[in-house]
Amino acid sequence: DTGVSQNPRHKITKRGQNVTFRCDPISEHNRLYWYRQTLGQGPEFLTYFQNEAQLEKSRLLSDRFSAERPKGSFSTLEIQRTEQGDSAMYLCASSQRQGAYNEQFFGPGTRLTVL
Amino acid sequence: SQQGEEDPQALSIQEGENATMNCSYKTSINNLQWYRQNSGRGLVHLILIRSNEREKHSGRLRVTLDTSKKSSSLLITASRAADTASYFCATDGAIEYGNKLVFGAGTILRVKS
Repeated sequence: DTGVSQNPRHKITKRGQNVTFRCDPISEHNRLYWYRQTLGQGPEFLTYFQNEAQLEKSRLLSDRFSAERPKGSFSTLEIQRTEQGDSAMYLCASSQRQGAYNEQFFGPGTRLTVL
Repeated sequence: SQQGEEDPQALSIQEGENATMNCSYKTSINNLQWYRQNSGRGLVHLILIRSNEREKHSGRLRVTLDTSKKSSSLLITASRAADTASYFCATDGAIEYGNKLVFGAGTILRVKS
């Protein structure tokens, strides 16, 4: 399977704990995006990387959130001191091209539940 | 915040009928993309239409784009029960808006067999 993969698929944690999610993009894609989706809403942009450089961050990405893509391949998203409001589906997407041809392919998502 | 709105919020049709969903947006775009999402799953890319295109087809899907009205429509012909899902439009803005996709809230489509 050469699609975008995400791990874990589900994560249940207690408030105040730290969690880390991983995304493996399609291998030849140099752009990687993180989105968050809450129930009944469309995904909202969090951040994106071109290769290893983090080029844009949303205001949704508070200081408790950090994302890395150390070698320009897989990426991790860490949430520190989780809050119940962090409960959501976290989606990763990758793309190869930009501008008018920026077709993004999404992984299955990681569903986070904060108790 | 969401870029725009999908209309209707929910649509229920019989198998074999056509389904039309509309999307409006607010800013200049490079392209507009439509995605499908089955309950609790990731998004599946359906079709991309560039800002200089007016209509695009893919199998049973037909997408139109009217940049003067900042709107798009997705038509699914001869619907099947397996088309039951949420459908989202997403805009890829002009460079001053970054490279992110901005999604609407989606249309929930139910196809009854």
